[in-house]
Amino acid sequence: AQKVTQAQTEISVVEKEDVTLDCVYETRDTTYYLFWYKQPPSGELVFLIRRNSFDEQNEISGRYSWNFQKSTSSFNFTITASQVVDSAVYFCALSERVRRSGGSNYKLTFGKGTLLTVNP
Amino acid sequence: EAQVTQNPRYLITVTGKKLTVTCSQNMNHEYMSWYRQDPGLGLRQIYYSMNVEVTDKGDVPEGYKVSRKEKRNFPLILESPSPNQTSLYFCASSIRRVGEKLFFGSGTQLSVL
Repeated sequence: AQKVTQAQTEISVVEKEDVTLDCVYETRDTTYYLFWYKQPPSGELVFLIRRNSFDEQNEISGRYSWNFQKSTSSFNFTITASQVVDSAVYFCALSERVRRSGGSNYKLTFGKGTLLTVNP
Repeated sequence: EAQVTQNPRYLITVTGKKLTVTCSQNMNHEYMSWYRQDPGLGLRQIYYSMNVEVTDKGDVPEGYKVSRKEKRNFPLILESPSPNQTSLYFCASSIRRVGEKLFFGSGTQLSVL
């Protein structure tokens, strides 16, 4: 079973539309962290946000907002008034401690990504 | 400037010819990791290292080797590359704590013919 599920493979919107990218995660830990990364066409991975499992407050940063709901294991990302520059692949990721013999692995597991295309 | 440096940016090679992708970070991070990115599969962890001389397998380690002789360097070695290792590779580092964000290199696009 996938630990991080981004059910939307591709989304296409017209500029100025609002768009929400879904992310559902699975973990048994009580302490974990959730991330969103952006990968523009240039290919680099850009950190957007980190959220810990104890803080369910929604967060807003300019046109970006994040809705974290532990009850549904979701961490959705909304872009308000989308712009062409928002076109990118967006990855949701889960960070947790994975216990192994000889120590722990601090592992970041990514979803498969959502390709967002914002058309002018 | 804090950064993770990967080289080369692009690499085309042939099946069976050993190659190394270098990765270096200047942030004194203990944790380093390699990921590969394939269409429709997201990023998958290949190997990681918790500290010098401490490495372990990730989700897709077959066909790869790593070493961590110095804190700043974490090279990825393909002893006998095959076409199914054609992919975009990312090196990343972080402070050794769960929940710390990863700093990524710019990526290496590898094509194995």
